[in-house]
Amino acid sequence: DVKVTQSSRYLVKRTGEKVFLECVQDMDHENMFWYRQDPGLGLRLIYFSYDVKMKEKGDIPEGYSVSREKKERFSLILESASTNQTSMYLCASSLAGARSDTQYFGPGTRLTVL
Amino acid sequence: SQKIEQNSEALNIQEGKTATLTCNYTNYSPAYLQWYRQDPGRGPVFLLLIRENEKEKRKERLKVTFDTTLKQSLFHITASQPADSATYLCALDLNNAGNMLTFGGGTRLMVKP
Repeated sequence: DVKVTQSSRYLVKRTGEKVFLECVQDMDHENMFWYRQDPGLGLRLIYFSYDVKMKEKGDIPEGYSVSREKKERFSLILESASTNQTSMYLCASSLAGARSDTQYFGPGTRLTVL
Repeated sequence: SQKIEQNSEALNIQEGKTATLTCNYTNYSPAYLQWYRQDPGRGPVFLLLIRENEKEKRKERLKVTFDTTLKQSLFHITASQPADSATYLCALDLNNAGNMLTFGGGTRLMVKP
């Protein structure tokens, strides 16, 4: 079974702090994704990576950056956390070229910015 | 603009009945559509995929239909159980790039014993 793990289930940070959210997958998937999920807004894509060191902006990249130095690891960085970044953050991975793009999600990190 | 719509109101049904959830989309012709289940505080879990040339797909008590003319997918759970209570999301490859999905807002299903 594909396993996607995220570094923390719950995280509390202060406004202005730099925040790192890490995601690791163990199935050698090329594609990795970061979403945030908010009530009434659904899942929104922040960034997507299709290979090591490659990234593409999603629908809401402002205030975020990402890093993919190794195939299995995809990090989301909040350079200066703000209260409007309080949310559930979900990482996912998928196999490239599978013509189905089933995504496998991690358990999520609930981030609270005070 | 491209849009995916799911009923944002919760669906409450009695145990043993069939639950039917709807996913409508506009301005696109996707090659396939996926359904995911999400439990509170958890990440979504893939359930079923149906391709544009498939009218219906089944997996145990789950059935998905895909009407590309109506631009609609229906997700059915037969003989529903309280354990089926969750939020169900549909997802489409709207950019046809073969790598990114756009998710609907999800419909919460509550099955009462």
